[in-house]
Amino acid sequence: KNEVEQSPQNLTAQEGEFITINCSYSVGISALHWLQQHPGGGIVSLFMLSSGKKKHGRLIATINIQEKHSSLHITASHPRDSAVYICAVTSKETSGSRLTFGEGTQLTVNP
Amino acid sequence: ETGVTQTPRHLVMGMTNKKSLKCEQHLGHNAMYWYKQSAKKPLELMFVYSLEERVENNSVPSRFSPECPNSSHLFLHLHTLQPEDSALYLCASSQVSGGLNYGYTFGSGTRLTVV
Repeated sequence: KNEVEQSPQNLTAQEGEFITINCSYSVGISALHWLQQHPGGGIVSLFMLSSGKKKHGRLIATINIQEKHSSLHITASHPRDSAVYICAVTSKETSGSRLTFGEGTQLTVNP
Repeated sequence: ETGVTQTPRHLVMGMTNKKSLKCEQHLGHNAMYWYKQSAKKPLELMFVYSLEERVENNSVPSRFSPECPNSSHLFLHLHTLQPEDSALYLCASSQVSGGLNYGYTFGSGTRLTVV
């Protein structure tokens, strides 16, 4: 079993819908990252969280340390949000330079 | 450009060839990484270079050889690869401080095909 589990694996939405992607992890963490990967490979870091909630534009990331769970929300989704969203954690048991990745959630937003 | 530049973007090589992937970061970060991304699998850490450590994933075959001449440049030397090594190879950099990664930034990747 992967230390980082994401759900759903695939998600299709209509433009304008509110989207939630979930991430659960099984280790103690120092921080959790949400990443976005567009077709062609480029990966962009969206958020780094160690507690609470962060917002950037239409993206909101939350984390519950006690429940070992994080969510990424997209409000008013748009076709350009179509990408793979990846959750990754820095474990307290390893050094700060290592991340453990989930398998990613493929999001498709249709016009 | 994200501040992490990888070349080449695409590479096709035979199993007997020797080639190198190059990564360069202009962000002043103190850690650089090589990742492998195969279809339907999570990103797999291959190598880490940072002020604090040099880490190798023990499952990476010796036909992959990293080189980090300074904090801004990272190479991945490839020799006698196998077709199953075909994948997207991603370079990343970050600033590691106090046990946390800041500004994790990925390059656009090299799509490698071994024939």
